[in-house]
Amino acid sequence: DAGVIQSPRHEVTEMGQEVTLRCKPISGHNSLFWYRQTMMRGLELLIYFNNNVPIDDSGMPEDRFSAKMPNASFSTLKIQPSEPRDSAVYFCASSLHSTNEKLFFGSGTQLSVL
Amino acid sequence: EDQVTQSPEALRLQEGESSSLNCSYTVSGLRGLFWYRQDPGKGPEFLFTLYSAGEEKEKERLKATLTKKESFLHITAPKPEDSATYLCAAQTGTASKLTFGTGTRLQVTL
Repeated sequence: DAGVIQSPRHEVTEMGQEVTLRCKPISGHNSLFWYRQTMMRGLELLIYFNNNVPIDDSGMPEDRFSAKMPNASFSTLKIQPSEPRDSAVYFCASSLHSTNEKLFFGSGTQLSVL
Repeated sequence: EDQVTQSPEALRLQEGESSSLNCSYTVSGLRGLFWYRQDPGKGPEFLFTLYSAGEEKEKERLKATLTKKESFLHITAPKPEDSATYLCAAQTGTASKLTFGTGTRLQVTL
């Protein structure tokens, strides 16, 4: 299994631009999570899906952030418009089912907003 | 609000010098305490889950323990390849929702 696949690995954009991060979870996993990691705040859960349905989006910082999971093998996290304070590493993770706490993380997307 | 605090922030050990990392938590209704390892440029990798006070788990040179207020990750005779950031996380309430600490950066030198 290839594991959780995220793209792009690095994204550099200018303030105000739209950014889309992509994730392919492990096949057969029913839960998908988006985390953001910064030096100051560590790993923060933004949103998670169970069976493609958003369950908890209380961690999404603002309306500028949105996430979708149109099918079991693909999810996107979109920031529009982007701001410099959004600069961070964004991780996608998946787990077998909602009660399985062992998360498998992708390698992350390093986002820099200038 | 659930809080997970790790100490120290950074730790430098010589090869073979054993030590412990601390993870203290203030949460309502702990369901599980998790340890992950994160290498530079990579996502966290699962190590252990502990569910009840007194529980211990081991993997190679690592042993995790849990009390009602904190967890320890003991590293016995570390090697340079153990260098990484070690993260702990508490699971409460909703299934699979983890609250992470900010991690301990461990460096093991020859």
